[in-house]
Amino acid sequence: GAVVSQHPSWVICKSGTSVKIECRSLDFQATTMFWYRQFPKQSLMLMATSNEGSKATYEQGVEKDKFLINHASLTLSTLTVTSAHPEDSSFYICSAMTGATYEQYFGPGTRLTVT
Amino acid sequence: GQQLNQSPQSMFIQEGEDVSMNCTSSSIFNTWLWYKQDPGEGPVLLIALYKAGELTSNGRLTAQFGITRKDSFLNISASIPSDVGIYFCAGPSNDMRFGAGTRLTVKP
Repeated sequence: GAVVSQHPSWVICKSGTSVKIECRSLDFQATTMFWYRQFPKQSLMLMATSNEGSKATYEQGVEKDKFLINHASLTLSTLTVTSAHPEDSSFYICSAMTGATYEQYFGPGTRLTVT
Repeated sequence: GQQLNQSPQSMFIQEGEDVSMNCTSSSIFNTWLWYKQDPGEGPVLLIALYKAGELTSNGRLTAQFGITRKDSFLNISASIPSDVGIYFCAGPSNDMRFGAGTRLTVKP
């Protein structure tokens, strides 16, 4: 149980375009989903927390107009990187929490490369 | 936000050896989580601790929730090559943070 999927697993896009990443909880309802960014050999950096049906809460320094988060249902959250630039290239990971405990279950990650 | 200090940053050990890593916090936590991340993948939850003083095992892994609620330890016994990866501690609340990770290398 507690499986989280992410799609796509990797994507290459041109500078200036937008990319959407999906995060789904497959076998449970996620009251809260989190989006992280990870650079090589570094820890996970929390970007934002999203609760179903409400606006995401962004961490300091994360541009909400650039990283659009939508949590439309209890099993789906999306992250859209708008007007992507090479510096946005990174490993993006989502996680989901049931709400019954603080345990977070992570997706497999999405590697974004902006050329 | 709450700061988590994880040590050591990296470990190089021989297969069969035991491993110990720890995580400390400047604030009290009610929950401690330990994750393992393989390269190019998302972290996988290893052990969750909910009570101060709690000692929990998962196979060759044992984790403890410190009495002060400001620290936690993860031990791996009789390491094997597939234990290679990065181990993260996490102290979740409304403000989720991860430690910097301990990168484990196991030499056969």
